[in-house]
Amino acid sequence: KAGVTQTPRYLIKTRGQQVTLSCSPISGHRSVSWYQQTPGQGLQFLFEYFSETQRNKGNFPGRFSGRQFSNSRSEMNVSTLELGDSALYLCASSLRATSGFNEQYFGPGTRLTVT
Amino acid sequence: AQTVTQSQPEMSVQEAETVTLSCTYDTSENNYYLFWYKQPPSRQMILVIRQEAYKQQNATENRFSVNFQKAAKSFSLKISDSQLGDTAMYFCAFIVNDMRFGAGTRLTVKP
Repeated sequence: KAGVTQTPRYLIKTRGQQVTLSCSPISGHRSVSWYQQTPGQGLQFLFEYFSETQRNKGNFPGRFSGRQFSNSRSEMNVSTLELGDSALYLCASSLRATSGFNEQYFGPGTRLTVT
Repeated sequence: AQTVTQSQPEMSVQEAETVTLSCTYDTSENNYYLFWYKQPPSRQMILVIRQEAYKQQNATENRFSVNFQKAAKSFSLKISDSQLGDTAMYFCAFIVNDMRFGAGTRLTVKP
């Protein structure tokens, strides 16, 4: 079974631009969660989608948004990029919603650099 | 507030020895789940071990085991017979509604 895939793996953008990252979960998984990882703030939860609905949201500004499609693939979008948005963005999928006891499988991440 | 604290930013251990990574957490919930994840230099997060808060028995996965003390809100990871491939960042995490991670402990296994 293929793992979680994220595209692109690396991205360089300029301040003020917007970016869209994609995540394809493991086949059959319906929950997708997004995390931001930075040296200063560590791993922080962005949001979770389950069956095309945003189920939970972390403490990030409205510039960060996401969606999930009927095939469970998810995208996250960051508008008006700031230098502080430079990070590794990790996506994780699981069979059921995160509040249940089920393992999250992580993708390899997208490294976003904002210049 | 739901927080996770890993008080050891860096640790090292000799190959074949045992090391324990500390983790404490804070939550007012009674039902939750605890995890240790490993992130090697490749950045791929890998689940090491998980524990259900309602189970008193400590989880074990081969060379990895935990010491779960619910009253103390402590969840330490013991790695026995350390191997060079265990070199990685280790993150303690727990889930109530969403997953909260600690800051991580960088473990180096020395030959």
